[in-house]
Amino acid sequence: EVQLVESGGGLVQPGRSLRLSCAASGFTFDDYAMHWVRQAPGKGLEWVSGISWNSGSIGYADSVKGRFTISRDNAKNSLYLQMNSLRAEDTALYYCAKDRVGATTGWFDPWGQGTLVTVSS
Amino acid sequence: SYVLTQPPSVSVAPGQTARITCGGNNIGSKSVHWYQQKPGQAPVLVVYDDSDRPSGIPERFSGSNSGNTATLTISRVEAGDEADYYCQVWDSSSDHQVFGGGTKLTVL
Repeated sequence: EVQLVESGGGLVQPGRSLRLSCAASGFTFDDYAMHWVRQAPGKGLEWVSGISWNSGSIGYADSVKGRFTISRDNAKNSLYLQMNSLRAEDTALYYCAKDRVGATTGWFDPWGQGTLVTVSS
Repeated sequence: SYVLTQPPSVSVAPGQTARITCGGNNIGSKSVHWYQQKPGQAPVLVVYDDSDRPSGIPERFSGSNSGNTATLTISRVEAGDEADYYCQVWDSSSDHQVFGGGTKLTVL
């Protein structure tokens, strides 16, 4: 069974940093691109970032470019999101999701259960 | 950047057909994917590549895509279909993934 488990969320002050992790199991991790998608409380889905199977192709939403960094460790079957200079508007449930292929151009299936990030003083 | 437009809400009686639209400039030239999200749960893929269904998704869920509008159709709607539905495409121009704003389906 494919499983994605996010961790690392929590309460953080504006301007500080946080690193999210996503542990993957049940599939050959280094065959697939991976993504982070977030959902602010009561709002819709927002794609945050995606990374190809070999980290050769990486993309970011304009809202986080220059502040967030996505990475992966294929040896550890893990995906990461380093979030710097956090703002109140970054408060959201952050989901990890598997792409259908090695490139970051497909659909997302499955999704993890998410980890909550709250940015507040 | 590419924009996907969905109606905020759609209501339908049990047993009837629900149609949820997703509008975008020449969206017919893109592959559209649809997700169902129930309260407190992660999104679940229900249609991919405009009209294909993942295993385990009922045949009642179908999709189409042409021109400037993609449509998710749910036939013989059940109470358990009540959820938020999101469309998604990959925009090759920006190399970004894009979601629609979501549609809340209410079963009357």
